[in-house]
Amino acid sequence: EAGVVQSPRYKIIEKKQPVAFWCNPISGHNTLYWYLQNLGQGPELLIRYENEEAVDDSQLPKDRFSAERLKGVDSTLKIQPAELGDSAVYLCASSLDYHVNEQFFGPGTRLTVL
Amino acid sequence: GQQVMQIPQYQHVQEGEDFTTYCNSSTTLSNIQWYKQRPGGHPVFLIQLVKSGEVKKQKRLTFQFGEAKKNSSLHITATQTTDVGTYFCAGPKDNYGQNFVFGPGTRLSVLP
Repeated sequence: EAGVVQSPRYKIIEKKQPVAFWCNPISGHNTLYWYLQNLGQGPELLIRYENEEAVDDSQLPKDRFSAERLKGVDSTLKIQPAELGDSAVYLCASSLDYHVNEQFFGPGTRLTVL
Repeated sequence: GQQVMQIPQYQHVQEGEDFTTYCNSSTTLSNIQWYKQRPGGHPVFLIQLVKSGEVKKQKRLTFQFGEAKKNSSLHITATQTTDVGTYFCAGPKDNYGQNFVFGPGTRLSVLP
């Protein structure tokens, strides 16, 4: 079974530039999460999707962050414009649904903002 | 809001010694999950505990959920170098149990 796929694995940009991350969850998983992980800390939830619906985006900084999951499968997280403090690892995770909520994480995208 | 704390932050052990990490929540949890993240890797699900006082074992790993469902522990017997990594507990953000708040993790180093 293929795991959660994320791309790119690494991204280096200058501040004020836009950046986008892509995630393809495990086939058949209806729930998709985007997390941010700073060095030495636990993952912090940014947004959760149930199919194509964003059911919790309360932690997403909406002035610069946006996300979409148009067909309820893969998802894109965008930052525009990026700030120095956005440097972190962005993790995508999926679970079968909100009842079976064991989360499978992707390898993450390490973002460096210069 | 709900907070999940873990102690210790770091633990260095000699190979073969035991290791325990503790997780405490500011609120009663409907369930708790444990994850392991190897250096440079991503979190990997270990287990979910649901019942008050529940104890589950996975080979050398023993997981406990407190009677009050506000704390949990992970104990590793006779650590091996393959146990190196950061162990996170995660509790539901709310009573619906659909969003999880992760603790800061305990980083385990095992000296051969």
